[in-house]
Formats: sequence, C-alpha cells, structure tokens
Amino acid sequence: DAKTTQPTSMDCAEGRAANLPCNHSTISGNEYVYWYRQIHSQGPQYIIHGLKNNETNEMASLIITEDRKSSTLILPHATLRDTAVYYCIDSPGANNLFFGTGTRLTVIP
Amino acid sequence: DTGVSQNPRHKITKRGQNVTFRCDPISEHNRLYWYRQTLGQGPEFLTYFQNEAQLEKSRLLSDRFSAERPKGSFSTLEIQRTEQGDSAMYLCASSSGTGYGFYEQYFGPGTRLTVT
Repeated sequence: DAKTTQPTSMDCAEGRAANLPCNHSTISGNEYVYWYRQIHSQGPQYIIHGLKNNETNEMASLIITEDRKSSTLILPHATLRDTAVYYCIDSPGANNLFFGTGTRLTVIP
Repeated sequence: DTGVSQNPRHKITKRGQNVTFRCDPISEHNRLYWYRQTLGQGPEFLTYFQNEAQLEKSRLLSDRFSAERPKGSFSTLEIQRTEQGDSAMYLCASSSGTGYGFYEQYFGPGTRLTVT
C-alpha cells in the first residue's frame, strides 16, 4: 500500500523549474525512492530513482534529504509536455510498486 | 512498435459476464505485472510473473480475478462474473531482471473496462 504523501496539485510556468515534494515518513533503510509520471490516457513512465544520494538523469534530478524522510523531484525547465500526474513511491525492490494518488502538475504557458 | 501492447483497448460488458484481457510485453522482458487504476487514483498492483511463474498473487482483488502467463511470453487477465465495481483501467507492465533490485517497469496503454 502507498506510504508516501504528496500535494494534490501544483502549477509551474513553462520554462521554469518544477519542484515536486514527497514525504516518506515510514521509509526503511533498504527502500528506494522511485518517481514515475502518467500523462493523460497513457500508462505510467519511469523518471528516476535513488537510495541515499541525489541523482540526475536526462529527465530530472532527485534530491533526497539526509534522513530520507522526504524527496524532491526537479524538472529543470518544465515544458507543456511535462503536464502529468507525478507519483513518488518507496519500495525495497521494484517488483511491487504501490502508487499513491500523486501530484497533478500543470505547466502553464 | 516494440513497447508493451494490450488488447483490447476498450471493453464494454454486462454485469455477470466474463472478460479476458491480453498483454504482450517487450520481447526480451521476463517479468510482467498487472495493475488496476480507478478514476482519480494511482495504479494498484495486482500480480506479477517472472517468466511463467506467478510470484505474487495475494493482491488480486478477489477469486474472480485470475492471471496466466503460460509460456512466459504474453499474459492474460480474466475477470469472472464482472461487477460494476470492476470498471477501471487495467494496466500491464514488463521489465527485465531475475534478482532483487531495481528494474524499470515499462507500461502499456491499458485496457479500459466498463461494466454496465
């Protein structure tokens, strides 16, 4: 079952950085933080994951606090195509992903 | 297209009928997952296979739900005696991997079921 909490919705101006927070209040030591997103009428899409260290890939950056109780997904230059529902998940492995209700990000022109 | 495919994309059925959905994973992926998504909610994990073995099925919603992957390639999800509450999007995903750890799941477009 989903254990993370996220804001229900956020807006971001096109071209600006989008910072999406997530609380992982019950995360345990062997659990990774995963982020997926779901664009309308599509299946979810993997974005990034991490354990302790901050991570960056071609899509986004992931900042994990030292106590690992919260994380932030950063989309450095949001575009209209980034409008989607963003899910953060904490899980010991990627076999069973338990999605919450996510954050609906709207990128505004 | 070499992504995950699902058929049919839409299914309308009457309450009490049985329905079966098919998922074709990415060809080299040995793991296959089924999820259900209702309106306004995130996907809900149902079950997963590694090759033909169903390794987790305790999350299937009731004994009316069953899944198979007979040859370790495509999979089917069957719902018997459908109820209106079964109306949802049914998502399939696949990944590589044989051990513990992270393997990216690639999702299909889903099958939308409407039970009237």
